Amino acid sequence: DADVTQTPRNRITKTGKRIMLECSQTKGHDRMYWYRQDPGLGLQLIYYSFDVKDINKGEISDGYSVSRQAQAKFSLSLESAIPNQTALYFCATSDSRTGSTDTQYFGPGTRLTVL
Amino acid sequence: GQNIDQPTEMTATEGAIVQINCTYQTSGFNGLFWYQQHAGEAPTFLSYNVLDGLEEKGRFSSFLSRSKGYSYLLLKELQMKDSASYLCAVRELYRGSTLGRLYFGRGTQLTVWP
Repeated sequence: DADVTQTPRNRITKTGKRIMLECSQTKGHDRMYWYRQDPGLGLQLIYYSFDVKDINKGEISDGYSVSRQAQAKFSLSLESAIPNQTALYFCATSDSRTGSTDTQYFGPGTRLTVL
Repeated sequence: GQNIDQPTEMTATEGAIVQINCTYQTSGFNGLFWYQQHAGEAPTFLSYNVLDGLEEKGRFSSFLSRSKGYSYLLLKELQMKDSASYLCAVRELYRGSTLGRLYFGRGTQLTVWP
């Protein structure tokens, strides 16, 4: 079984619709992250959470919101989707107990298309 | 801030050695990561350097020079399955904090030819 899962894996939606992407992990990690990836632009951080009560904006948080329902679950919402939010979205986790290493491990990704 | 620069594309032949360079500018440097990403898939962790020098892990090695803001990923005995994008990522600490975040380069697309 995958340690980090994302649902759905693919989604096509229309402009203006509300969309939720979900991430679950069984790694027991306390830190979780949402990234988007556009061709040629690399990974950009949307939101991150260092524990259930700690949520922070990344570099491209406008148009997105998140919810950390439990240590193992971190959801990303697009309140009103727009076409330039078409991208590949990744959830990642890391474990603060590893100290300075704190390697991030990625889920399989959600390909979102906004028409 | 951070400026992470790596070549966009590289090609090599099976069995050869390739070196992918990464330069960065950042305050609060706290480690450099290399990830491999096959098309449409998740990035997977390859290596981590926080001190100067070479870290070797099988066919892959990674080098760091903090004073030069420079790292490279060395891939030996290339195989067709090594065709992928290689992402350089720098962790930067928040000022006065032990917490940090990753900044990713745009990736280097490596194509391995038979």
